[in-house]
Amino acid sequence: EPEVTQTPSHQVTQMGQEVILRCVPISNHLYFYWYRQILGQKVEFLVSFYNNEISEKSEIFDDQFSVERPDGSNFTLKIRSTKLEDSAMYFCASSTQGSPDEQFFGPGTRLTVL
Amino acid sequence: SQQGEEDPQALSIQEGENATMNCSYKTSINNLQWYRQNSGRGLVHLILIRSNEREKHSGRLRVTLDTSKKSSSLLITASRAADTASYFCVPQEAGSYQLTFGKGTKLSVIP
Repeated sequence: EPEVTQTPSHQVTQMGQEVILRCVPISNHLYFYWYRQILGQKVEFLVSFYNNEISEKSEIFDDQFSVERPDGSNFTLKIRSTKLEDSAMYFCASSTQGSPDEQFFGPGTRLTVL
Repeated sequence: SQQGEEDPQALSIQEGENATMNCSYKTSINNLQWYRQNSGRGLVHLILIRSNEREKHSGRLRVTLDTSKKSSSLLITASRAADTASYFCVPQEAGSYQLTFGKGTKLSVIP
């Protein structure tokens, strides 16, 4: 069964460093998303992406964040200058054009900012 | 976008029993979805029910939707230890693909 994959599973970085989290969505999906979950808290929406542009974003998704689909398979989330409060689990999700509402999630990348 | 409010916050049952979780929301929706999360891992889509549907089944899952009361329920029949997880209802408004998660119901199924 096709699934969303994410790499790395765990990333440790120093405050102020740039990080890129990578996702490979399911191959025939056209909608892509990033969510995050700070330890012990709710899952929060960050951004949705369709047709090579951002379609929705939350207040969390400020100028420090960017997303890109650099080729036909990868979808990346970049944090330019990490802060301690960026430490969280980051989930990528994707959905089809036919059923954009049903989102398929990856296993997540745990980001630890020291 | 709005989040669902799940009730109860925690539920503990014996394996083989049925588990019922409830959800309330505030404004009109296009559909309502239920997701499961095992212990901080990725979320798994369980079922989607549209605003013009009242009941939907998928395997051991039964979901109801009452738009007049702005509420939904998820029933898991013949529960298994593997059903131990947090369950979230996600009401979704028309035109938005953003999912807003609440605190969920933490289900523990005791073998």
